[in-house]
Amino acid sequence: KAGVTQTPRYLIKTRGQQVTLSCSPISGHRSVSWYQQTPGQGLQFLFEYFSETQRNKGNFPGRFSGRQFSNSRSEMNVSTLELGDSALYLCASSLEAEQFFGPGTRLTVL
Amino acid sequence: AQSVTQPDIHITVSEGASLELRCNYSYGATPYLFWYVQSPGQGLQLLLKYFSGDTLVQGIKGFEAEFKRSQSSFNLRKPSVHWSDAAEYFCAVGEGYSSASKIIFGSGTRLSIRP
Repeated sequence: KAGVTQTPRYLIKTRGQQVTLSCSPISGHRSVSWYQQTPGQGLQFLFEYFSETQRNKGNFPGRFSGRQFSNSRSEMNVSTLELGDSALYLCASSLEAEQFFGPGTRLTVL
Repeated sequence: AQSVTQPDIHITVSEGASLELRCNYSYGATPYLFWYVQSPGQGLQLLLKYFSGDTLVQGIKGFEAEFKRSQSSFNLRKPSVHWSDAAEYFCAVGEGYSSASKIIFGSGTRLSIRP
């Protein structure tokens, strides 16, 4: 069974732009969670989607948003990028009480 | 609020030596606890998890962890480390609708292996 895939793997953007990241969960998994990893703040929960509905949300500004499609694939969007948004963004899918992580998307904001 | 503390930022051990990584959690109910490992440039891999039952849990790659409710701890151990164990290790507690849909991570412990 294929694992969690994330595209693209690397992105370079400039301040003020917006970006969309994609995550394809493991087949059959209906929950997708997103995390931001930075050297300063560590791993922080962004939000979780289940059956196309946001079920949990972390403490991030409204510039960070997401959605989930009927096939469970998920996207997250960051608008008006700031330098501090440079991070590794990890997606995880879960079936029950265990999350499986993708390799992440490395976003660099210049 | 739930939290996870990993008091050791960086640990260096010799190859073949035993390892113990410390983790303390703050959680109101019986926690769902995890240990993940992350190699440079990689995503997170689950080493082991504790939901209930036997407080000593076995994981992959020869790792084990012991849940001690009285100490709010979930320390990770390995009797003999290998050079390939060098990585960042994260202790975490799960919460949310399925008790794992939202993971609260500790700050991580970087493990270096001395040849």
